[in-house]
Amino acid sequence: AQKVTQAQTEISVVEKEDVTLDCVYETRDTTYYLFWYKQPPSGELVFLIRRNSFDEQNEISGRYSWNFQKSTSSFNFTITASQVVDSAVYFCALSEATLPYNNNDMRFGAGTRLTVKP
Amino acid sequence: GAVVSQHPSRVICKSGTSVKIECRSLDFQATTMFWYRQFPKKSLMLMATSNEGSKATYEQGVEKDKFLINHASLTLSTLTVTSAHPEDSSFYICSARDPDEIFADTQYFGPGTRLTVL
Repeated sequence: AQKVTQAQTEISVVEKEDVTLDCVYETRDTTYYLFWYKQPPSGELVFLIRRNSFDEQNEISGRYSWNFQKSTSSFNFTITASQVVDSAVYFCALSEATLPYNNNDMRFGAGTRLTVKP
Repeated sequence: GAVVSQHPSRVICKSGTSVKIECRSLDFQATTMFWYRQFPKKSLMLMATSNEGSKATYEQGVEKDKFLINHASLTLSTLTVTSAHPEDSSFYICSARDPDEIFADTQYFGPGTRLTVL
């Protein structure tokens, strides 16, 4: 069975600090996909990144970076030089390979609420 | 990324009335959409999978007669909360996958609908 654990319920940092959000997952499949979504106070979930299980390369997008390590079943998300606008709830999610994509096996973690103070 | 809209964004109704929430894929055709429910400070809970042209698939514990889902076209799915009660008050979010995307397993979320039943 799939499981996604985000052990950090809430994190509070001061602007310009770096912060890492942890995500640990469990799956029996060899092919799976990992996601990060951002949910600002407005409520809409914003897609940030998708990573498949065969691609362990770390990715950087501006101030965001992701560290995928299959050996530890982790997909951590780091925000560098955090800003107040980064304040949101961040969800990590896992989806096992499904075809033809007409079913849903995406499992979300509990979310981490990040507060960036000025 | 693909764009999904929801309407209304917020609704307040009296107990016993029915409320319809619309979910639209704006720039792609979605044969499958998903409906989630989110309680305050909690993660997303999948309610059902909406399939165009066929019956929705409900998750265990979700009352299909209470939460009616109709996938009328390739761009529209509706969720009707029938005979709403205060315990149905929640944040309802829909999502969809773009089948023409290379990574067709990515879900794109609507902005959500906040339902308050008095």
